[in-house]
Amino acid sequence: DVKVTQSSRYLVKRTGEKVFLECVQDMDHENMFWYRQDPGLGLRLIYFSYDVKMKEKGDIPEGYSVSREKKERFSLILESASTNQTSMYLCASSLGAVNEKLFFGSGTQLSVL
Amino acid sequence: AQSVAQPEDQVNVAEGNPLTVKCTYSVSGNPYLFWYVQYPNRGLQFLLKYITGDNLVKGSYGFEAEFNKSQTSFHLKKPSALVSDSALYFCAVRERYSSASKIIFGSGTRLSIRP
Repeated sequence: DVKVTQSSRYLVKRTGEKVFLECVQDMDHENMFWYRQDPGLGLRLIYFSYDVKMKEKGDIPEGYSVSREKKERFSLILESASTNQTSMYLCASSLGAVNEKLFFGSGTQLSVL
Repeated sequence: AQSVAQPEDQVNVAEGNPLTVKCTYSVSGNPYLFWYVQYPNRGLQFLLKYITGDNLVKGSYGFEAEFNKSQTSFHLKKPSALVSDSALYFCAVRERYSSASKIIFGSGTRLSIRP
């Protein structure tokens, strides 16, 4: 089975800190995605990547950046964490074809105090 | 811009009754459509997808979905609900044109099946 691993299940950070969320997939998937999940808003796409060193903005990229130096790893960076970035962050990956399904990690619940 | 709407925040159904979870979409051209389920304290899991062909798509756990192009809908259905179907369900859409296209999710519908 495909495994998508997010480095932390729970994370507590202070306002203004630089935060790194790591995601690793073990099935050689071309595509990787970062979403945040908030009650009533569903999943909102932050950034995605369809190849190494390639990235595309999603619908809510402000305040975030990403890095994909290796195919299996996709990092989400909060440059200066703010309280409105408190959320559940979900990483996903898929094969390269556009009709492929997503495989999700278990999520990281980030609290910014 | 593409979008997905799930008009019901919550759907309540008695066990054994049929269930429907609604989804409508807006996208340029023909879409790829997906349903995912999130059980409590677990990650999202794929249920089914529509690519092309037969408008009725069958998926995991006895679920199916009907693609209706004229109504731009992709409703999730099951003939007989189980208590274990209680979960959060998400509809998603992706434009076909390139691998750089986004996958957009709806706001989710919480399905509650009472015994």
